[in-house]
Amino acid sequence: NAGVTQTPKFQVLKTGQSMTLQCAQDMNHNSMYWYRQDPGMGLRLIYYSASEGTTDKGEVPNGYNVSRLNKREFSLRLESAAPSQTSVYFCASSDSRHVTDTQYFGPGTRLTVL
Amino acid sequence: AQSVTQLGSHVSVSEGALVLLRCNYSSSVPPYLFWYVQYPNQGLQLLLKYTSAATLVKGINGFEAEFKKSETSFHLTKPSAHMSDAAEYFCAVTGGANSKLTFGKGITLSVRP
Repeated sequence: NAGVTQTPKFQVLKTGQSMTLQCAQDMNHNSMYWYRQDPGMGLRLIYYSASEGTTDKGEVPNGYNVSRLNKREFSLRLESAAPSQTSVYFCASSDSRHVTDTQYFGPGTRLTVL
Repeated sequence: AQSVTQLGSHVSVSEGALVLLRCNYSSSVPPYLFWYVQYPNQGLQLLLKYTSAATLVKGINGFEAEFKKSETSFHLTKPSAHMSDAAEYFCAVTGGANSKLTFGKGITLSVRP
């Protein structure tokens, strides 16, 4: 039981390049989330998927797209990376039958955009 | 609308001393409150959560937090710090249906030998 896994762990991009961050969970959770973590700013929600087949914008969606490929997988795509997207990206999942359900986090992807 | 305030960015205590990490919230609906911990180079994991059952909530690793509605607070405490408690701690709030989790900016706890 691996929980939430993310690939890659580290990535360096040049401005304008594109990439996709992968996330998978094996807990049969309905909801999945993408956050970014920046120093002194906590975690901010980029996009989320309340259930398979649905996605919605969070607090900071500009410059990102997402795909809920199936119940297990939720990917985050940067079409044209910018230095402002240098951050640590976390994927999380929850059962979400209730708002108090715990979110379980992956280990993160450290992205640097030059 | 909801928000969390964690004053200060860093707390340092001696091993064996009391740990107190402050969290104040703002919410237009009855809140649910969480504390998450992040160890270096890892993802976040849940320490404890308040779901309106008991105001004093006990979590893992000897941590506890008390929900005080009159003070809009949910401070995290541990009677005796251990070196392994060194980490970043995040307070988070959510509200009614369709409400998302809002995190505070986090506070780094250092433990001195």
